Amino acid sequence: GENVEQHPSTLSVQEGDSAVIKCTYSDSASNYFPWYKQELGKRPQLIIDIRSNVGEKKDQRIAVTLNKTAKHFSLHITETQPEDSAVYFCAASKNTGNQFYFGTGTSLTVIP
Amino acid sequence: DARVTQTPRHKVTEMGQEVTMRCQPILGHNTVFWYRQTMMQGLELLAYFRNRAPLDDSGMPKDRFSAEMPDATLATLKIQPSEPRDSAVYFCASGFGQTYEQYFGPGTRLTVT
Repeated sequence: GENVEQHPSTLSVQEGDSAVIKCTYSDSASNYFPWYKQELGKRPQLIIDIRSNVGEKKDQRIAVTLNKTAKHFSLHITETQPEDSAVYFCAASKNTGNQFYFGTGTSLTVIP
Repeated sequence: DARVTQTPRHKVTEMGQEVTMRCQPILGHNTVFWYRQTMMQGLELLAYFRNRAPLDDSGMPKDRFSAEMPDATLATLKIQPSEPRDSAVYFCASGFGQTYEQYFGPGTRLTVT
């Protein structure tokens, strides 16, 4: 099956700095890579995703990059704000409507 | 703003008792996933359904866990008998089989004493 590894497990940055979270996957058949944000006591919420036919996708301060050859993808948050503090999960999936394989999460703290 | 709903939001029960968790997927979604979240294991898939049929329940301890979809608007996850190690947050997520996205419910926080 698929194995998704995520690093780092914790990350602290100063407000205004950038944050980068990295994930690797093992199954070359995976073709969809979502990122979820989970605030304390809340549900995971999809913030951005990327499909394997695209190398980069951006949405305001958030961007995701994908390197299919190396089988890794990254989340980039620029100009971080305190409300970005949360746990971020990456995931990989092989087909539409299929299960997600999640990384172990990164706890991001943005220091005001 | 359609959302997945789950009940109950919190459940405290004693070891050995039966626990039933319910999920209402977003109307029109035909795929339902059950995940369990713990500090040690993160988010792990227990089971999932498409068009009410179970597709994969290999992540679920079969001796005590069961998952069903009595109809398209209700999914249930049952634990009988419950054990302290079942304490976790159980999330339901739904999606549409022709797309990738999954949308999570608010979760059921289960504590087994």
